Formats: sequence, C-alpha cells, structure tokens
Amino acid sequence: KQEVTQIPAALSVPEGENLVLNCSFTDSAIYNLQWFRQDPGKGLTSLLLIQSSQREQTSGRLNASLDKSSGRSTLYIAASQPGDSATYLCAVRRMDSSYKLIFGSGTRLLVRP
Amino acid sequence: GAGVSQSPSNKVTEKGKDVELRCDPISGHTALYWYRQRLGQGLEFLIYFQGNSAPDKSGLPSDRFSAERTGESVSTLTIQRTQQEDSAVYLCASSLESMNTGELFFGEGSRLTVL
Repeated sequence: KQEVTQIPAALSVPEGENLVLNCSFTDSAIYNLQWFRQDPGKGLTSLLLIQSSQREQTSGRLNASLDKSSGRSTLYIAASQPGDSATYLCAVRRMDSSYKLIFGSGTRLLVRP
Repeated sequence: GAGVSQSPSNKVTEKGKDVELRCDPISGHTALYWYRQRLGQGLEFLIYFQGNSAPDKSGLPSDRFSAERTGESVSTLTIQRTQQEDSAVYLCASSLESMNTGELFFGEGSRLTVL
C-alpha cells in the first residue's frame, strides 16, 4: 500500500528565508509526483509535476526534486514571502492504479513579515 | 471554462436530506476525479471517471454515495440520506490525459455541512 508522508506538519519562517518541504512515499513504483498548494477554504493549485523519469522541475522561486529510488521529493522555496503562506501537499500517482493520486497530509507554512 | 468549476460552493442541509454536487471540468479533459477532504484531514479519493465510465468506484464510502458523468463533461456527486459524518469539502479535479502522466487541476470545492 502506498503511503505518503510530509514532514514537517507545520513550519513558520521569517520572510526572505529559503526553505525545504519534504515528501516521502513508500512505494517507488510511481508514474509521477505532483506538488500543490491549498489556501484556507480553497481548492488545490497545481505547482509542479515531476514525471518518474525526471529529477527536478522548476517554476519561478519553486524547485521540486524527485529521488524515486529512495522514495523522496523535496520542494524548495527560495526567498519566501508572506504570500507563500498556505498548506503544501504532495501526491503520487501509482503505477498499478495510475488514475488515483495518493496525497500526503500536507505541510502548513506560515511566512512571517 | 478556464478552470474546473464546482457548485454549489457551500451547502448546508439537514440530516437525512439528499444533496447533489456538480462539477464542470476543463473543456476537453477526459479524466475526472472526486475527492473528499474532512476538516483538518488529507484528501480521500472517492471516484474516477474516464469519459463517462467509472472504472473504479471503490472509494465511495457507502451506497448512499453515487456519481455520474454525462457527455464526457459535467459530473454530479449525489449523497442520499446525508449524515453528519458526510460534512466535508468535496473536491473535483480533471486532467487532459487518460493515461498516468496527466496533471490534475482542481476546482474550489463544495463545502457540505450536515446539521
């Protein structure tokens, strides 16, 4: 059974800091991994999608890496801003049930002005 | 439309009533997903549509839950005889590809409160 874990559950940092969010999964047989952000009371916004054959993806101040063999992904946020405050979720798409994304429980990020 | 649209955004109902939640996926997206998110918890997979068929309904919590999709577009999630434990945000997502590599795009969700 695929399990996705995100550490830490919550993080508070001062504005301007670079930070790393972690995601680990137990079964390395995945098609892809996707990072989302969720603002309170809102839906999920897709940030980055990494296919299993890729090592990383970048979008603006965000960089996501994938190490499939060790079952890990990191989301790096450079020069954090108060607007980055949200819950960040990672999700993996398994090879044997490829239509289903398995989600982690998220990391709640607060960037203090 | 430009994104996934869900309605209603908020629904308050009394225990025992039936509710219908609607999802309009991004135009051309063949795959459609329903997830449930209880307060303070992660996303729970409910059902997946490929076109108008639902190859996997195993995530539906009970036989009070059903979903359909018509015209490879709009989907409705119906909850009969609602219970308080059904209170949650119901999220719909769609993706362009039916295969495994498609990126999922989510709607804003329908918040259901059962009194």
